[in-house]
Amino acid sequence: TQLLEQSPQFLSIQEGENLTVYCNSSSVFSSLQWYRQEPGEGPVLLVTVVTGGEVKKLKRLTFQFGDARKDSSLHITAAQPGDTGLYLCAGLGSNDYKLSFGAGTTVTVRA
Amino acid sequence: GAGVSQSPSNKVTEKGKDVELRCDPISGHTALYWYRQSLGQGLEFLIYFQGNSAPDKSGLPSDRFSAERTGGSVSTLTIQRTQQEDSAVYLCASSFDSYNEQFFGPGTRLTVL
Repeated sequence: TQLLEQSPQFLSIQEGENLTVYCNSSSVFSSLQWYRQEPGEGPVLLVTVVTGGEVKKLKRLTFQFGDARKDSSLHITAAQPGDTGLYLCAGLGSNDYKLSFGAGTTVTVRA
Repeated sequence: GAGVSQSPSNKVTEKGKDVELRCDPISGHTALYWYRQSLGQGLEFLIYFQGNSAPDKSGLPSDRFSAERTGGSVSTLTIQRTQQEDSAVYLCASSFDSYNEQFFGPGTRLTVL
């Protein structure tokens, strides 16, 4: 049983379209992280959100942490083929060092 | 500076054989983690080392799995009597300390025939 549920599992869109990936849990997290992983490589941290209601922007990527710190979303505006990859959310409990990962969302952006 | 490195990048073995996977963390990072990533699954925590403290082995799936970290640096994950269900990508990560960003290595893809 995944502590963090990600949806959708797969997403295929045309270049220029927008997309949103969701990460939901019944547990409260002290922080939530989003990673991007490309084939044959390890996950690379994109952002960490720590405050309920927090919104962080990284160029065309917008990350939001739910008010109750149980859920998060990643929105990509005007997606590009370079955004293709596996997006993983991971939560950290209070006073915990073990990340709990979602199963990931495979995003494919077609040129 | 160099990132986290893992070796080998790929390992194919026969059922029942033992395998050793190696992780070289970023220099100066005191925390080291092993995760397993199976197809269609997220990363599953296996084991955690922090300095000279006793490791957290709570994620190891069976007693066939063990890991050690020598001199607070290099770590080796050993899987004895491998089974087909052990096939996965094994990822190592290190961080400056327990609550900092984890930097991941490229992983070792293990295939048990």
